[in-house]
Amino acid sequence: GAGVSQTPSNKVTEKGKYVELRCDPISGHTALYWYRQSLGQGPEFLIYFQGTGAADDSGLPNDRFFAVRPEGSVSTLKIQRTERGDSAVYLCASSLDGYLTDTQYFGPGTRLTVL
Amino acid sequence: SQQGEEDPQALSIQEGENATMNCSYKTSINNLQWYRQNSGRGLVHLILIRSNEREKHSGRLRVTLDTSKKSSSLLITASRAADTASYFCATQGGSEKLVFGKGTKLTVNP
Repeated sequence: GAGVSQTPSNKVTEKGKYVELRCDPISGHTALYWYRQSLGQGPEFLIYFQGTGAADDSGLPNDRFFAVRPEGSVSTLKIQRTERGDSAVYLCASSLDGYLTDTQYFGPGTRLTVL
Repeated sequence: SQQGEEDPQALSIQEGENATMNCSYKTSINNLQWYRQNSGRGLVHLILIRSNEREKHSGRLRVTLDTSKKSSSLLITASRAADTASYFCATQGGSEKLVFGKGTKLTVNP
């Protein structure tokens, strides 16, 4: 079956612009996660959705970052007034029920470059 | 912030040899997981070990967990060139989020 998909695969933008990154989870998965990975580092948690609601947004670095999942499936990560420090690979993952020990399946990521 | 620290940061071995990677973490956990990542993308889940388990096997993978030392090791036996990748440990404590280490970059030379 289809895995987690993310679009675009690459996004280049200018400092100060607004960007949207999209994630399509595995069909039927109720839990969705966003992580960010900087060069040479491991992924860092941003936000976790259970259904349509954000169950944990403690990893969002500041109020320029926002994510939605209005119908409990596709999610969009929105970044306002982008800064060069936002450049990273943004990874999305989904799991069946969001229980601890449920395997999180990762998408290929969106590489964001802010010039 | 990152919970785990993998050791070594980089490891280069010959095909057929065993590869051992270590992970240390700081706080109490519910479980610890190992992931593989090729070419900076596409994290793939390898194995999960619960906090009340000490050892687990999956194919050529063997994972150990020592909660008293807050450490884990991943052993890949009879390595292949296709095992070349970065390997990350990730912990889950009281919440569903994964907290990753910085990873070990493994190169298996044919």
